[in-house]
Amino acid sequence: DGGITQSPKYLFRKEGQNVTLSCEQNLNHDAMYWYRQDPGQGLRLIYYSQIVNDFQKGDIAEGYSVSREKKESFPLTVTSAQKNPTAFYLCASSIDRTAYNEQFFGPGTRLTVL
Amino acid sequence: GENVEQHPSTLSVQEGDSAVIKCTYSDSASNYFPWYKQELGKRPQLIIDIRSNVGEKKDQRIAVTLNKTAKHFSLHITETQPEDSAVYFCAARRLAGYSTLTFGKGTMLLVSP
Repeated sequence: DGGITQSPKYLFRKEGQNVTLSCEQNLNHDAMYWYRQDPGQGLRLIYYSQIVNDFQKGDIAEGYSVSREKKESFPLTVTSAQKNPTAFYLCASSIDRTAYNEQFFGPGTRLTVL
Repeated sequence: GENVEQHPSTLSVQEGDSAVIKCTYSDSASNYFPWYKQELGKRPQLIIDIRSNVGEKKDQRIAVTLNKTAKHFSLHITETQPEDSAVYFCAARRLAGYSTLTFGKGTMLLVSP
C-alpha cells in the first residue's frame, strides 16, 4: 500500500521522555516528510528532507528532531521539549520536491503522552 | 508563507446529492493544488489535483475548479455515495524552487444512505 511504513502504530510515552518514530520507504523516493495531525488542524509540516544527510525545518519543528542517514529511512524524535506531543504523526514521501509529484503517506503513529 | 483556508469544516449530505468543498489560498505564486481523502483510521490518499494552467479537471464523479484571479479552488463530488464519507484536505504549493505543500484544515464529509 504505497511502500511506506511507520512503526509503531500506537506509542505511549511518559512526560519527560524522548521517543523515536520510525518511517521507512521502499519507493526509491528522494523526498520525505513528517506531518502532525490534530483534530480540526489539518496536516502541519514538522520536518522534510530532499536528500540523504539533508533536512529542513517545517512550520512546527520546535521540540522535534530528525535524521536522514539512509534514503529509505527518516526517523522522527519527539523530545521532552515538545510541550504537547500527543497527536497522530504521518510520514510521507515523494519522488522529489521539484515537480507535480504525489506525496504518498504512511499509516501513521498515534503518540499518547501519559 | 502560504495560508490555505478550507470550508466547511463539516458537511452532511444525503446519498445521491452533490457536495462542494471550497479552499482559498494566499500566495499568488502557488500553482499546484491537490486534494487528499482520508478515510477513518486510514492514511491520506491523493484523489485529484489541478495545475494553474487549467481551470477545471474531472475524474468520474469528482471535479476540481480553480479561479486564480480570486485565489480559490473547489472540489465537487456528484452522486455522493456512503463510501465518499471521509475527511478531505485541500493543499497548495508553489512549484518554483523547493517549496512544500500547505494543507487546509480539512472537511469531514458524511454521506447518509
